[in-house]
Amino acid sequence: DARVTQTPRHKVTEMGQEVTMRCQPILGHNTVFWYRQTMMQGLELLAYFRNRAPLDDSGMPKDRFSAEMPDATLATLKIQPSEPRDSAVYFCASGLVRSDRLLNYEQYFGPGTRLTVT
Amino acid sequence: QQQVKQSPQSLIVQKGGISIINCAYENTAFDYFPWYQQFPGKGPALLIAIRPDVSEKKEGRFTISFNKSAKQFSLHIMDSQPGDSATYFCAASRPKYSGAGSYQLTFGKGTKLSVIP
Repeated sequence: DARVTQTPRHKVTEMGQEVTMRCQPILGHNTVFWYRQTMMQGLELLAYFRNRAPLDDSGMPKDRFSAEMPDATLATLKIQPSEPRDSAVYFCASGLVRSDRLLNYEQYFGPGTRLTVT
Repeated sequence: QQQVKQSPQSLIVQKGGISIINCAYENTAFDYFPWYQQFPGKGPALLIAIRPDVSEKKEGRFTISFNKSAKQFSLHIMDSQPGDSATYFCAASRPKYSGAGSYQLTFGKGTKLSVIP
């Protein structure tokens, strides 16, 4: 049963601390997305990667957020320093894009990391 | 600027009834319109999706109706069941990088559906 995994599932930290969230995309998927979900803003796209290369990170606060894919099986989202307004659920999703004309748009979401910054 | 507007925010339906959730979009470049279902503590999961070349798509009790001229689409859940109680998100996608085959989803704010026995 292929699925996206995320760790940790819950994280409570103090303002100013570094937070690292990890995601293992579904094996064989070539696109990875990071979303943030809050009650006020809903689901917001933060960044996405294709074939491990960052394609768009315009949704991320650049001064404190960074996203990387060290290898095809691991994506990371880092916040340094964290702030209370970063409290949210962070989702990773993966998908498979085959070609321009035969796009498979489906995205498979992980269970999320619930981040609380006090 | 919210590119996908979803309504209502919450919906209560009697078991066996029809649940209807509506979405409107602004960008005519959108070419894929999925609906996602999210249960508490879980990530969103794709429920059903439609492309703008068809006006309706049905999968089991779930139907998407699409009106390209009005830039609107809706989700209908027939014979709603308590197990359908969840938050539903509409979304829209458009290719951003020409020739790159890349895509991103823009989500509506969600509708919390409660189906009561």
